[in-house]
Amino acid sequence: GAVVSQHPSRVICKSGTSVKIECRSLDFQATTMFWYRQFPKQSLMLMATSNEGSKATYEQGVEKDKFLINHASLTLSTLTVTSAHPEDSSFYICSARSGGSLTDTQYFGPGTRLTVL
Amino acid sequence: AQSVTQLDSHVSVSEGTPVLLRCNYSSSYSPSLFWYVQHPNKGLQLLLKYTSAATLVKGINGFEAEFKKSETSFHLTKPSAHMSDAAEYFCVVTYSGGYQKVTFGIGTKLQVIP
Repeated sequence: GAVVSQHPSRVICKSGTSVKIECRSLDFQATTMFWYRQFPKQSLMLMATSNEGSKATYEQGVEKDKFLINHASLTLSTLTVTSAHPEDSSFYICSARSGGSLTDTQYFGPGTRLTVL
Repeated sequence: AQSVTQLDSHVSVSEGTPVLLRCNYSSSYSPSLFWYVQHPNKGLQLLLKYTSAATLVKGINGFEAEFKKSETSFHLTKPSAHMSDAAEYFCVVTYSGGYQKVTFGIGTKLQVIP
């Protein structure tokens, strides 16, 4: 089956620093990748949708200058949390979709636990 | 507009007994529906999906779900629960038409009692 990886799986950083999270589709080309945030005991909140080679589409309330998304290739998308603060601590999950239709399956990465001190 | 409602935030069953996780949706267009499972501190794994083909969908690990348009439901079932089924389950609805959006339910935590 389709595999999506994320790196790192866990990261701890100091307040004010930036953190980059990578999302890779290992055995398929992902035309669309999604970034989600999950708070403890809550559902996933879609942050943004990115299509390869174009700017990401951010959901309402998500600061695009704080959460920088780059989808430079069909197998890699990155999320950079800039000037991180403790309230940015969360579980970040990416997903990748090979087709352009919402009926196509999203394959999820294992998630990245970000802790900002 | 579309939405998905998981009617139970927490379900507890004994090992070997049936599992029923309920999901209702609303959508202005013909929806696609998915069930995902998330084990603690892990990503999401697709269990099954409905995309306008057969209304009874069989997934992995013995799970299945039935799409009932008249009831706007897509409940997840399994005949016999296993300890390894203990996890969080998410019902997801998408639709292809207009502004494309993926909507997650709040999740149902399944507890399996030995």
